[in-house]
Amino acid sequence: NAGVTQTPKFQVLKTGQSMTLQCAQDMNHEYMSWYRQDPGMGLRLIHYSVGAGITDQGEVPNGYNVSRSTTEDFPLRLLSAAPSQTSVYFCASSSRPQGFTGELFFGEGSRLTVL
Amino acid sequence: AQKITQTQPGMFVQEKEAVTLDCTYDTSDQSYGLFWYKQPSSGEMIFLIYQGSYDEQNATEGRYSLNFQKARKSANLVISASQLGDSAMYFCAMRVLYNQGGKLIFGQGTELSVKP
Repeated sequence: NAGVTQTPKFQVLKTGQSMTLQCAQDMNHEYMSWYRQDPGMGLRLIHYSVGAGITDQGEVPNGYNVSRSTTEDFPLRLLSAAPSQTSVYFCASSSRPQGFTGELFFGEGSRLTVL
Repeated sequence: AQKITQTQPGMFVQEKEAVTLDCTYDTSDQSYGLFWYKQPSSGEMIFLIYQGSYDEQNATEGRYSLNFQKARKSANLVISASQLGDSAMYFCAMRVLYNQGGKLIFGQGTELSVKP
């Protein structure tokens, strides 16, 4: 059972470079999301999607783009990396986009460093 | 404002003893969900337990129980018979409606260390 798969697990970028963090889930979940985790701040929502073709901004969307062309995939794009985007990124999915039950399944995380 | 507060940055517990991790929340919504996640040093987020705002009984999952006191807006995690493998960061989170979907609001976490 693959669950939520994130790649790469580690990445070092220079300021101004672009990259894409990949996220794929094999549970046919409608809801997918990206969070970032910074020391002492818990996790914060970047972008989310409630189904293919539907995305919306979270709490900290600046500097990030997303798209959802299929149910399975939800890539996160950094167009011009900045040191403030150094963080650990988590992709998460759930079968119930608007419900309050239903576990949020997390990927293993991607550690990004921007020099 | 919707917020989760975990006031214990770090805690120690002796192996085989019980420990309570505190969590208080703030929301004006009537419907919400409360979660606890464990994050070991390897970094993954592991779901532990869930409590719905309309659930009258406290949730339990094996050695984990959630002490839900709605009037006080608290959702403390109780781990019974602590094990060395319980050493990790623990996050309390609240799931609320957000635009078209839901989002989790996380607390800052409590680092639990289990002593042999």
